[in-house]
Amino acid sequence: EVQLLESGGDLVQPGGSLRLSCAASGFSFSRYAMSWVRQAPGKGLEWVSTISGGGDRTFYADSVKGRYTISRDNSKNTLFLQMNSLGADDTSVYYCAKVGDTAMVIAHFDNWGLGTLVTVSS
Amino acid sequence: DIQMTQSPSTLSASVGDRVTIACRPSQSISNWLAWYQQNPGKAPKLLIYKASILESGVPSRFSGSGSGTEFTLTISSLQPDDFATYYCQQYNSMWTFGQGTKVEIK
Repeated sequence: EVQLLESGGDLVQPGGSLRLSCAASGFSFSRYAMSWVRQAPGKGLEWVSTISGGGDRTFYADSVKGRYTISRDNSKNTLFLQMNSLGADDTSVYYCAKVGDTAMVIAHFDNWGLGTLVTVSS
Repeated sequence: DIQMTQSPSTLSASVGDRVTIACRPSQSISNWLAWYQQNPGKAPKLLIYKASILESGVPSRFSGSGSGTEFTLTISSLQPDDFATYYCQQYNSMWTFGQGTKVEIK
């Protein structure tokens, strides 16, 4: 059974930084691209970032480019999201999601974690 | 960037109703489209990918159709567990979600 467990969400001041983690199990982690998707309170889903299985290709939404960095440790089956220069607009639940195709980086998301809440406020 | 427009934003229906949700990308995306269901406070769940392929374990009352710039999600007979918010997502060029369609009890 695929399991994705996010952690690291917290209350952070504007301009601050935070690092999210997603521990994966139940599948061959290094074979799949992984993504982060966020959802502001009461709002819809927003794709944030994706990384290929080997970690050599990364993609970012314009809203986070230059501030966020996605990475992964395949030896520990863990996905990360380093978030810098945080603002109020970054307040969201952040979901880790598994890309549902081993052959393609750009594909649908077939498994999601429960999410971790990031609140940016003074 | 590809924009995704869903309609309607809210849909009121009763158990047993046939329900259809539309999704229109701002440019052609071939069949690179997925549908997700989200219940309040829960993570999204994949229903359909590649426009019409039903994810394993998803009830057959859900179906997807379309290609290019017009797609639909149909629930053939609405069940109590189906009152939720539904999102389309394109993955032809990066990823973009629609704004969501809330299916509520009439």
